[in-house]
Amino acid sequence: NAGVTQTPKFQVLKTGQSMTLQCAQDMNHEYMSWYRQDPGMGLRLIHYSVGAGITDQGEVPNGYNVSRSTTEDFPLRLLSAAPSQTSVYFCASSLGQGVLSTDTQYFGPGTRLTVL
Amino acid sequence: GNSVTQMEGPVTLSEEAFLTINCTYTATGYPSLFWYVQYPGEGLQLLLKATKADDKGSNKGFEATYRKETTSFHLEKGSVQVSDSAVYFCALSSFGNEKLTFGTGTRLTIIP
Repeated sequence: NAGVTQTPKFQVLKTGQSMTLQCAQDMNHEYMSWYRQDPGMGLRLIHYSVGAGITDQGEVPNGYNVSRSTTEDFPLRLLSAAPSQTSVYFCASSLGQGVLSTDTQYFGPGTRLTVL
Repeated sequence: GNSVTQMEGPVTLSEEAFLTINCTYTATGYPSLFWYVQYPGEGLQLLLKATKADDKGSNKGFEATYRKETTSFHLEKGSVQVSDSAVYFCALSSFGNEKLTFGTGTRLTIIP
C-alpha cells in the first residue's frame, strides 16, 4: 500500500492564481480531511469528508473548496490564492466508521505552498 | 468546544535524559487522546493513543496515561535518543466525531 499520497510536494503561486492540491489513499478509508500547519498554531482542519459525495467544513474553510467523487481521492482547490494561504498542507485519512473516534488517522507527506 | 494545550517548546535535552511533554485538554464527553510525531520533512504519524480513562498508551519507549481527573495526557520517555528529535503533537477526538483537535506542537531536539 502506498498509504496517503499528496502532490505536488512544493508549489509557488502568485496572488490570485488558482490550483488544486491532490490527495489519494489506497486503504479504502471512508474519512478524509485536509489540514494546514502554520508555525505556533498546530494543525487546523480545513475541510473533511465522511464518504464519497459528502463533505463538510472544518475550522478554517474560507478560500478553499473540496469535492469527493470517489473513495480514494479528495482534492483541495484554492480558488484565488492569497499570501495568507502560505502554509504546509496535510491530507489525512482514517477508516471512519462514524461513531469510532478511536481510529488512527494516516497523514500524507504534505505540500508546502508559498503564495507571493 | 474541544481544545488541547501542550507544553511550549522548543525543548532541548541531552541523550539519555528523561523527557516529559505536558498536555492538558478540554472536551465534551469522553474523548480519545493521541500523540502524533512529525519527523523532519515528513507528515505526522501516530505515536500512541488511549481511548478511555486510566488507559496507558505506549510505543517506542514513550508512554502516556489518560488522566480524567486532571484532564491530562503527558508524554514521557525514560531515556531519549538523538533519533527522537521531532515535533510532537497532542490531539483528541470526541465520541461520534472523527475530527482531531491538535495542540500547537512541541519541538524536541536531542543533542549527543
